[in-house]
Amino acid sequence: GQSLEQPSEVTAVEGAIVQINCTYQTSGFYGLSWYQQHDGGAPTFLSYNGLDGLEETGRFSSFLSRSDSYGYLLLQELQMKDSASYFCALKAPDSGYALNFGKGTSLLVTP
Amino acid sequence: DTGVSQNPRHKITKRGQNVTFRCDPISEHNRLYWYRQTLGQGPEFLTYFQNEAQLEKSRLLSDRFSAERPKGSFSTLEIQRTEQGDSAMYLCASSLVKDRAGFGELFFGEGSRLTVL
Repeated sequence: GQSLEQPSEVTAVEGAIVQINCTYQTSGFYGLSWYQQHDGGAPTFLSYNGLDGLEETGRFSSFLSRSDSYGYLLLQELQMKDSASYFCALKAPDSGYALNFGKGTSLLVTP
Repeated sequence: DTGVSQNPRHKITKRGQNVTFRCDPISEHNRLYWYRQTLGQGPEFLTYFQNEAQLEKSRLLSDRFSAERPKGSFSTLEIQRTEQGDSAMYLCASSLVKDRAGFGELFFGEGSRLTVL
């Protein structure tokens, strides 16, 4: 089977840095992805880690440690528009390599 | 707009009725996915197609749900004999994937919201 765990809610101040953690259990690893979803909107792709280490895309970075079955999404210089839900997601061999999503972390950025 | 489009955007139906949703993926994408999302939850995988072939269907998916992708282009998701528990946002996504386990960014549509009374 497969499971993904992430905090349900995080609050941070505008301009700060926030880290959203994701721990997982999986029978086969095929990369960890991160998606962002604003209220009422569609999920949009943020980042992908196929190998250990840090991937940086502008203000967003994602980190993976396969030995620890752990990853995180790092958001820097937070802006009010970053208030959204953030999902980590894994491919699952037992669902034909479809992407399975965690329950999501709701990030609230305050002034 | 060349993104993923879904319709209808909203559907209200009575319990026991059948409903059908349509998804038009990004034209050059070979994979098309259906997900379901309820409030406060992540998207839940339902099924996916590679071109016109339905490669996988969630084991949790009721047999009241059926999906097709004729000619490998648009797809339809039909729910028969709807129940109140079917109320959710139905999301379609497409991607371009070169091999089965390879990475492919999912591009989601805005979803079709179903309310079953």
